[in-house]
Amino acid sequence: KQEVTQIPAALSVPEGENLVLNCSFTDSAIYNLQWFRQDPGKGLTSLLLIQSSQREQTSGRLNASLDKSSGRSTLYIAASQPGDSATYLCAVRPIQGAQKLVFGQGTRLTINP
Amino acid sequence: EAQVTQNPRYLITVTGKKLTVTCSQNMNHEYMSWYRQDPGLGLRQIYYSMNVEVTDKGDVPEGYKVSRKEKRNFPLILESPSPNQTSLYFCASRSPGGNSNQPQHFGDGTRLSIL
Repeated sequence: KQEVTQIPAALSVPEGENLVLNCSFTDSAIYNLQWFRQDPGKGLTSLLLIQSSQREQTSGRLNASLDKSSGRSTLYIAASQPGDSATYLCAVRPIQGAQKLVFGQGTRLTINP
Repeated sequence: EAQVTQNPRYLITVTGKKLTVTCSQNMNHEYMSWYRQDPGLGLRQIYYSMNVEVTDKGDVPEGYKVSRKEKRNFPLILESPSPNQTSLYFCASRSPGGNSNQPQHFGDGTRLSIL
């Protein structure tokens, strides 16, 4: 059974710092991995999607990497801003039971001005 | 604008009173799905649909029904809601169906409180 873990559960950093959020998964048989952002009381906003054959994806200040063999992904946020404060979720689409995403519990990020 | 729209966004109701949460997408997606999000449990899939008239159970289907009569709509029905169904619900869609590698798009969520 696929399990996704995100550590730490919460992170607080001063504005301007570069930071890394971690995601690990137990089964490397995945189609893809997706990073989302969730603001309090709001929906999920897709940030980046990495296919299983890819190593990384970039969008603006965000860079996501994928090491499928070790079951790890990282989300790198450069030059953090207070507006980046949110909960970040990673989700994998497993090959077994492919019609759903398996989510981690998320990392709650706070950027202090 | 491509979007997944859920209604209502918030609902407080009482045990046993049937309710429907609507979900509509304007991207012509074949695949649609419902999730619920609970503290400490994360997001869990309730039901999904691969296409019109094709639905299947997810991980936590008990107490819920769905229908897919049109491609764009995928309502979630609670025939007799109970307090343990108090949760934040999300509808999602993806194109195309099957083994697509496309990203899933999520609605803004519906917060249900069952008293």
